[in-house]
Amino acid sequence: LAKTTQPISMDSYEGQEVNITCSHNNIATNDYITWYQQFPSQGPRFIIQGYKTKVTNEVASLFIPADRKSSTLSLPRVSLSDTAVYYCLVGLSGGYNKLIFGAGTRLAVHP
Amino acid sequence: GAVVSQHPSWVICKSGTSVKIECRSLDFQATTMFWYRQFPKQSLMLMATSNEGSKATYEQGVEKDKFLINHASLTLSTLTVTSAHPEDSSFYICSARTGTGNLYVDNEQFFGPGTRLTVL
Repeated sequence: LAKTTQPISMDSYEGQEVNITCSHNNIATNDYITWYQQFPSQGPRFIIQGYKTKVTNEVASLFIPADRKSSTLSLPRVSLSDTAVYYCLVGLSGGYNKLIFGAGTRLAVHP
Repeated sequence: GAVVSQHPSWVICKSGTSVKIECRSLDFQATTMFWYRQFPKQSLMLMATSNEGSKATYEQGVEKDKFLINHASLTLSTLTVTSAHPEDSSFYICSARTGTGNLYVDNEQFFGPGTRLTVL
C-alpha cells in the first residue's frame, strides 16, 4: 500500500483558498487518490476522489500531476466550519480496498 | 449518499465486561465492512476487515479473540470488545462499501458516525 505524506497542520483565514498537498511516491498503477474530512468525534466524510488530472465537485478540487506521485486538495474560500482534519488516502478500488489512514492535516481556519 | 449508522453512539462500561457495537448500512448492501479505532489526537487505525459470511481479517497486532467481529448479513457487522479494560477506551468507527470486484470502479467507503467507548 502506498504511503502518504501530508503537512501535519495548516492555518488559514476565512475566505481564503487552501491547498493541501499530499505525497505518494509509491502509488501503484491501479491506485485511486481519495480525500476525507473528519470533525472531532465524527466519522470521516468523503470529499473527493480522482485517478489523474483534475477533478472538481461542489466542495473541492483535486489536482493530480501526470506522474501521480502527489496530489493537491484545493478548498475554495474556506469558512470556520472547514476546520477539521483532512486525510489523503491511496488505494485500489474494487475488490481489494483496504484504506490506511496517515496522520492527516489539521486545518485551522481563523476569523 | 449512502448512510452507515452505528449503535450505540457512546457507551460506558466497567472493566471486565464485554461491549457490542453495531454497524449498519441503511440503504445499501455492504459485502465488506471495516473497523477502525481512533485515540485522541491520532489518526484512524484499521483493526479488521469484515466480509459477509466469512471470518474477519485482522490487522497485525490486533487480537482477534479480544475484538470479535461478526458480519452475519449484508447490512450488519458487529464488533464485540471482550473483557474490556481502560486501555480499550477509544473511538470506534466502522465503514462499509459494496464490493463490485471491478478494479476500475471508484473506491469510496462510507463511514459511520463512530462509537465512543469508555471503560472505567
